[in-house]
Amino acid sequence: EPEVTQTPSHQVTQMGQEVILRCVPISNHLYFYWYRQILGQKVEFLVSFYNNEISEKSEIFDDQFSVERPDGSNFTLKIRSTKLEDSAMYFCASSGGPGHGYTFGSGTRLTVV
Amino acid sequence: GQQVMQIPQYQHVQEGEDFTTYCNSSTTLSNIQWYKQRPGGHPVFLIQLVKSGEVKKQKRLTFQFGEAKKNSSLHITATQTTDVGTYFCAVILNDYKLSFGAGTTVTVRA
Repeated sequence: EPEVTQTPSHQVTQMGQEVILRCVPISNHLYFYWYRQILGQKVEFLVSFYNNEISEKSEIFDDQFSVERPDGSNFTLKIRSTKLEDSAMYFCASSGGPGHGYTFGSGTRLTVV
Repeated sequence: GQQVMQIPQYQHVQEGEDFTTYCNSSTTLSNIQWYKQRPGGHPVFLIQLVKSGEVKKQKRLTFQFGEAKKNSSLHITATQTTDVGTYFCAVILNDYKLSFGAGTTVTVRA
């Protein structure tokens, strides 16, 4: 079964540093997403990406966040100048289109120290 | 934005028993999806409901969409230890955003 692949599985970074979280969505999917989940809490929407541009973003997705699809397969989330409160599990997801279920990756656990 | 409330937040179930988790909205929903997240895992898509009064079954799981399309339920019969995890309902707000409820975390007593 096709999978969404995320790397790294765990990232520890110092406060103020930049991190890049990487994702390889399912190859024939056109819609890509980033979600985050603080330990024990709900899954929160960050951003969606379609047709090589951001289609929607949440209030969490401020100027310290950016997304990019640098080539035909990768989808990245960059967090500039990380803060302690950015510590969370970050999930990438992709879908075949509106009304389809999302396929989530296994996540990157980001720990900011 | 559209919010869904899930109840209960926690469900402790004796193995072999049935339980139901509910997802409620104050507004009419166009559709609803259900996901399961095992402890330490990622959300996995279970099902999508679109039609008023729709009922879908997956083995011991029964999903229902209310007649008014304002609520949904997930009923699990004969609970097994493999049912442990958090069950989320989620609503598609537009073409580009899926919003999750807070989830029902299920533990099973053997």
